[in-house]
Amino acid sequence: EVQLVESGGGLVQPGRSLRLSCAASGFTFDDYAMHWVRQAPGKGLEWVSGISWNSGSIGYADSVKGRFTISRDNAKNSLYLQMNSLRAEDTALYYCAKDRARDYGSGSYPGKWGQGTLVTVSS
Amino acid sequence: SYELTQPPSVSVSPGQTARITCSGDALPKKYAYWYQQKSGQAPVLVIYEDSKRPSGIPERFSGSSSGTMATLTISGAQVEDEADYYCYSTDSSGNPLFGTGTKVTVL
Repeated sequence: EVQLVESGGGLVQPGRSLRLSCAASGFTFDDYAMHWVRQAPGKGLEWVSGISWNSGSIGYADSVKGRFTISRDNAKNSLYLQMNSLRAEDTALYYCAKDRARDYGSGSYPGKWGQGTLVTVSS
Repeated sequence: SYELTQPPSVSVSPGQTARITCSGDALPKKYAYWYQQKSGQAPVLVIYEDSKRPSGIPERFSGSSSGTMATLTISGAQVEDEADYYCYSTDSSGNPLFGTGTKVTVL
């Protein structure tokens, strides 16, 4: 059974950094692209970032470009999101999601999702 | 900037058909995907590549796309189908985005 477990969320002050992790199990992690998607309290879904199976192709939403960095460690079956220069508007539940294909890009989309980790940016 | 526009809400009686639309200028050339999100839960993929249904998704869920509009249809809606539904696609440059979301009420 596919399992995705996010961690690393919490309360952080504006301007500070936070690193989210996603532990994957139940599938061959390095066969699939992965995504981060967030949802602000009471709001809709926002795609944040995606990464191909070998980290060769990466994309970011304009709202986080230059501040967030996605990465993965296939040996550890783990996905990461380094979040710098955090803003109040980054407050959200952050989901890790498995793609249904290896490559990130055209035709790439989130398939199976984790339960999310909450990030709150506030002074 | 590019948007995928959905109606904020749709109401349907149990056993009737609910149709949720998603409008976007790039949809004639890009696939649409649909996610169901029940209260307090993570989203679940219910339709991919316009009209394909993942294993385990009931047959009452179907999808179609024509021109700049994709549609998710719930035929014979059940009380348990009450949820928020989001379409997903990419813009003409391949940048992913979600639709604005539709709250489906079954009563």
